[in-house]
Amino acid sequence: EDKVVQSPLSLVVHEGDTVTLNCSYEVTNFRSLLWYKQEKKAPTFLFMLTSSGIEKKSGRLSSILDKKELFSILNITATQTGDSAIYLCAVTGTASKLTFGTGTRLQVTL
Amino acid sequence: ETGVTQTPRHLVMGMTNKKSLKCEQHLGHNAMYWYKQSAKKPLELMFVYNFKEQTENNSVPSRFSPECPNSSHLFLHLHTLQPEDSALYLCASSQVSAGELFFGEGSRLTVL
Repeated sequence: EDKVVQSPLSLVVHEGDTVTLNCSYEVTNFRSLLWYKQEKKAPTFLFMLTSSGIEKKSGRLSSILDKKELFSILNITATQTGDSAIYLCAVTGTASKLTFGTGTRLQVTL
Repeated sequence: ETGVTQTPRHLVMGMTNKKSLKCEQHLGHNAMYWYKQSAKKPLELMFVYNFKEQTENNSVPSRFSPECPNSSHLFLHLHTLQPEDSALYLCASSQVSAGELFFGEGSRLTVL
């Protein structure tokens, strides 16, 4: 059974800090790893990673995948209060269905 | 606006009621999904439809009954639910075999 473990479960930082969120996984025939941000209701797509060692970047957010060690990290630099959300990691395997982790709840305070 | 619309946004029902959740996607996708999100648990996949055909039923109790009349619409019919079924129900769509899901805003269900 595919499995995704995210850490930490929750995190409180001050505005301007840099944070690193972790995602480790076990999946049969790995195809891709995805990061989503969930602020209130609908998770919104951030990144899809399929290859090891290639960093995906969007503004202050970046992510990288290590297929050998079976993990990914999501970095957020110069955090803002608008970054407060639950960050979800998910993987797809043979069945092409997404298996999600429990998420990391990030709170950015002033 | 993600292109996936869910109604109602909030629903309160008794254990003997029958209600339905509706999802509509305007993205031209051919796969649609129902997920359940409970507090402190990962998103749980419930059902998958590819080209209107159900391809996944993740051991969901029969009191949840999905319906997919076409590739743009998805329903979740609810009857004789239990209080533990209270959760956020998220609909999503994608292109078949693509990884990225587009989620709706969800329907917050409370079963009394």
